[in-house]
Amino acid sequence: AQSVTQPDIHITVSEGASLELRCNYSYGATPYLFWYVQSPGQGLQLLLKYFSGDTLVQGIKGFEAEFKRSQSSFNLRKPSVHWSDAAEYFCAVGAPGSGNTGKLIFGQGTTLQVKP
Amino acid sequence: NAGVMQNPRHLVRRRGQEARLRCSPMKGHSHVYWYRQLPEEGLKFMVYLQKENIIDESGMPKERFSAEFPKEGPSILRIQQVVRGDSAAYFCASSPPSGTRQSNEQFFGPGTRLTVL
Repeated sequence: AQSVTQPDIHITVSEGASLELRCNYSYGATPYLFWYVQSPGQGLQLLLKYFSGDTLVQGIKGFEAEFKRSQSSFNLRKPSVHWSDAAEYFCAVGAPGSGNTGKLIFGQGTTLQVKP
Repeated sequence: NAGVMQNPRHLVRRRGQEARLRCSPMKGHSHVYWYRQLPEEGLKFMVYLQKENIIDESGMPKERFSAEFPKEGPSILRIQQVVRGDSAAYFCASSPPSGTRQSNEQFFGPGTRLTVL
């Protein structure tokens, strides 16, 4: 069955420290991969995506993610966290292809808390 | 260019009433998706629609829930005879036609938070 696992429910880091959020997926083929961020009471904003090509992708707000096929992982990283990064982060997968991805399958989310 | 719009943002219903959630996709987008987020959980896919067609409803509960995306007007998610377990945030997303730029991305609205008393 297709699934996405985010092993860390909550993570707390100090402002200025580095961050890595983990994401593992189970899928029949290499899916399209996404990271979204959700601030409290808000919708989801796309941080970055991977479709093919270079396995290190750059996104907005200084985030990057690396696709590792052998580990079925797509971990999100940021070298220096800002207090405004406190939010909930979701990893998602979609069906690959030339058309629309159809439904996205989301992980359960990781809540990031940033200490001053 | 306005983003995906959802209304109402908050909806309170008593058990047994009907809830209607509306979603206006981004301009030029012809695909709409509905997701449900229960407290402390990730988003779960419900239904995927194109204009006047349901493409994938594999995530829709078998009873009480329905969705439409008419030729004119917003997409509607309808929940009949609501129960307390329907309390959740309902998100709509849209994407442009297949084969166009960003067709593989989904753009999310701010959500409708449904509370069933």
